[in-house]
Amino acid sequence: ILNVEQSPQSLHVQEGDSTNFTCSFPSSNFYALHWYRWETAKSPEALFVMTLNGDEKKKGRISATLNTKEGYSYLYIKGSQPEDSATYLCAPSPGAGSYQLTFGKGTKLSVIP
Amino acid sequence: DVKVTQSSRYLVKRTGEKVFLECVQDMDHENMFWYRQDPGLGLRLIYFSYDVKMKEKGDIPEGYSVSREKKERFSLILESASTNQTSMYLCASSPPTTYEQYFGPGTRLTVT
Repeated sequence: ILNVEQSPQSLHVQEGDSTNFTCSFPSSNFYALHWYRWETAKSPEALFVMTLNGDEKKKGRISATLNTKEGYSYLYIKGSQPEDSATYLCAPSPGAGSYQLTFGKGTKLSVIP
Repeated sequence: DVKVTQSSRYLVKRTGEKVFLECVQDMDHENMFWYRQDPGLGLRLIYFSYDVKMKEKGDIPEGYSVSREKKERFSLILESASTNQTSMYLCASSPPTTYEQYFGPGTRLTVT
């Protein structure tokens, strides 16, 4: 079982603030890193899949970076809005041909209007 | 849009009952997964399947079995439900190319 750490566990920010959180994973035997957003009463939804060291992905106000050599990824949200309130999960997959994802425990973001 | 559906949103069962949780996906995905989610523990993989009639144990398979008779359907079976199986159960599917998983809405199971 991969050791995947996400920090912080939870976060409260004011509307309009920018924020970021971290996902740490073993740098050996790495293939891809996935980020998911899970809103209350909904299904987890994929945000990004990243594979290359130095990769950066962006979707609207949300972006993510990847460092495979040191085993971490950052997720950034610029100008947080109440609709960004959700739990953000990261999940590395260990290798091509392995379909399993090991999910971190998530960072729960609450954006206060 | 990919759609993954689960048979029930909420389910209450008694200890010792046999419980079936059904999952259906409509995108012809090869891979299907069952997870449980508990507070403070995150999503944990119970079983997965990469083809019809194929199954692989995940991280916490004890007390569960699965069935995949058709490509679109993946069932999770609790042979004899116990109170420690009270949890939220999520099904997911993925194509073999991107590994991106598409999740169902979840079934909140309570075993009393």
